[in-house]
Amino acid sequence: EAQVTQNPRYLITVTGKKLTVTCSQNMNHEYMSWYRQDPGLGLRQIYYSMNVEVTDKGDVPEGYKVSRKEKRNFPLILESPSPNQTSLYFCASSSFLGEKLFFGSGTQLSVL
Amino acid sequence: RKEVEQDPGPFNVPEGATVAFNCTYSNSASQSFFWYRQDCRKEPKLLMSVYSSGNEDGRFTAQLNRASQYISLLIRDSKLSDSATYLCVVIIRTGNQFYFGTGTSLTVIP
Repeated sequence: EAQVTQNPRYLITVTGKKLTVTCSQNMNHEYMSWYRQDPGLGLRQIYYSMNVEVTDKGDVPEGYKVSRKEKRNFPLILESPSPNQTSLYFCASSSFLGEKLFFGSGTQLSVL
Repeated sequence: RKEVEQDPGPFNVPEGATVAFNCTYSNSASQSFFWYRQDCRKEPKLLMSVYSSGNEDGRFTAQLNRASQYISLLIRDSKLSDSATYLCVVIIRTGNQFYFGTGTSLTVIP
């Protein structure tokens, strides 16, 4: 089944404790991206990747890192999480920019 | 100024009603347009792409007006299952990004 797999689904952590949210797609998609969704602000792009080893900042990249060492994986790293990063996060992929996005099921992160 | 703007609603309509949403975009270099549907705190799912000539999928009709820089979604004969948040999405040719509206909430009432 074609899908974007994102883990974990829920995560509670404390300020400053490094964490990684994994994202993997099995559709051989070139484009992958990360979003956070907050009430009243909608989905905002954190980082995106046009292809392997190519990543770029979205609208809200501060406090986040990503890597694209393989085509299928695009992990989101929070080196030192802070409470303002409490949010619902989505990973997404598409065959290329301009084609529809497929989303993972989301990660609800709470930073205490 | 936001790249994409939507009326957040909520829209509360009775079953069988016709409802329309608009979404405006600010960048004339926008090249691709979509409507997504999102159920409460779940992942957005593609409802339909929006083509220049307008397109229809069952009860749903999407239209693009490049001159006025807006896209619209029309839902006919609303069903209870149409209750969700509808997101408009725009890709800007030079930006390499998908831009999302904040979404319009629809509740269809029995």
